[in-house]
Amino acid sequence: AQKVTQAQTEISVVEKEDVTLDCVYETRDTTYYLFWYKQPPSGELVFLIRRNSFDEQNEISGRYSWNFQKSTSSFNFTITASQVVDSAVYFCALAGNQGGKLIFGQGTELSVKP
Amino acid sequence: GAGVSQSPSNKVTEKGKDVELRCDPISGHTALYWYRQSLGQGLEFLIYFQGNSAPDKSGLPSDRFSAERTGGSVSTLTIQRTQQEDSAVYLCASSLVTSVGLNQPQHFGDGTRLSIL
Repeated sequence: AQKVTQAQTEISVVEKEDVTLDCVYETRDTTYYLFWYKQPPSGELVFLIRRNSFDEQNEISGRYSWNFQKSTSSFNFTITASQVVDSAVYFCALAGNQGGKLIFGQGTELSVKP
Repeated sequence: GAGVSQSPSNKVTEKGKDVELRCDPISGHTALYWYRQSLGQGLEFLIYFQGNSAPDKSGLPSDRFSAERTGGSVSTLTIQRTQQEDSAVYLCASSLVTSVGLNQPQHFGDGTRLSIL
């Protein structure tokens, strides 16, 4: 069975702090894909990143960075120098090799206070 | 349009009525997905279309739920004899299908907030 666990339900930080959102996944597929989505208070799900299972290179995009480690089945997301606009619910998701449906974690609600 | 469009944005109906939710995907996206987001269950997959066919309906919670897609574009999700537990935000997403596989990023609409009284 496929499963995504985001153990942190809520995180609160003060602006300019760094914050890491954890994601642990389970799958028996040898080829799979991992995603992060952001859901701001307005409600729409915004795609942030996709990684495939055979590419463990970490990725950095501005203040965002992602650490993918197959050995620990984790795909963690770090926001550096957080800003109030980063406040949102962040979802980690997994797609196996068949069909592309996303299995979502329960989400982590990030609150960045000024 | 530029993004995935869903209508209506809000729907309030009485228990036992039928409802139809509409999704207009991004032009050129052949894959279309329906998900449901509720407080107790999080984000759940419902059904996936590739073109007009639905190879994966495994997430539909009961036979009261059905969906179709015509012309490889617009999709409708129908819920018959609605129950209070059907109250949720119904999200539609679409994606490209390329030679590297089906797992291209899915782009989501704003959702339909369904409330069953």
